[in-house]
Amino acid sequence: GQNIDQPTEMTATEGAIVQINCTYQTSGFNGLFWYQQHAGEAPTFLSYNVLDGLEEKGRFSSFLSRSKGYSYLLLKELQMKDSASYLCAAMDSNYQLIWGAGTKLIIKP
Amino acid sequence: NAGVTQTPKFRVLKTGQSMTLLCAQDMNHEYMYWYRQDPGMGLRLIHYSVGEGTTAKGEVPDGYNVSRLKKQNFLLGLESAAPSQTSVYFCASEARREGNEQFFGPGTRLTVL
Repeated sequence: GQNIDQPTEMTATEGAIVQINCTYQTSGFNGLFWYQQHAGEAPTFLSYNVLDGLEEKGRFSSFLSRSKGYSYLLLKELQMKDSASYLCAAMDSNYQLIWGAGTKLIIKP
Repeated sequence: NAGVTQTPKFRVLKTGQSMTLLCAQDMNHEYMYWYRQDPGMGLRLIHYSVGEGTTAKGEVPDGYNVSRLKKQNFLLGLESAAPSQTSVYFCASEARREGNEQFFGPGTRLTVL
């Protein structure tokens, strides 16, 4: 079956660094996406990885290891506005997204 | 450029009632999706469309119907609402090229009593 696993909740301190992990099992693989979702709002796109390695985009970076079925999202210099849920999604062989339940990130001052 | 819009934003139905959720996008995207989001679960795909006049079933299609008569609109219908359909419904659209993102509407919060 197809499955995405990510932690339910994480807590971090303002100004610190946090890494949110995601493991996936899909029928075929066409890329790994990260979305951010603030409470009561729609998901918004953060990053896409299809090749192994690290993609950096400002304070946010995303890493992919296809052989391990593993990705992480790295958030640096945390700000209070980064408090949100972070959704991991893998694209399967039919180009459909399989979504994780999301990781709720709580930032403390 | 409004992006993806959804109407209504909130709705309360009684069991057995019907309703239609409307999604509209102004980005000329070919692909459109309807998801539901429930606490503790990932987004689940209900139905999707790869172009005007075409629709297909997703992971959880039972109890829902869809239509894509115009490229910019994707309608989700509930013929006879059930309490299990209480959820937040998101519409999304996508241009479908490698690495392309899905753009989401603001969501519709539906409660079925």
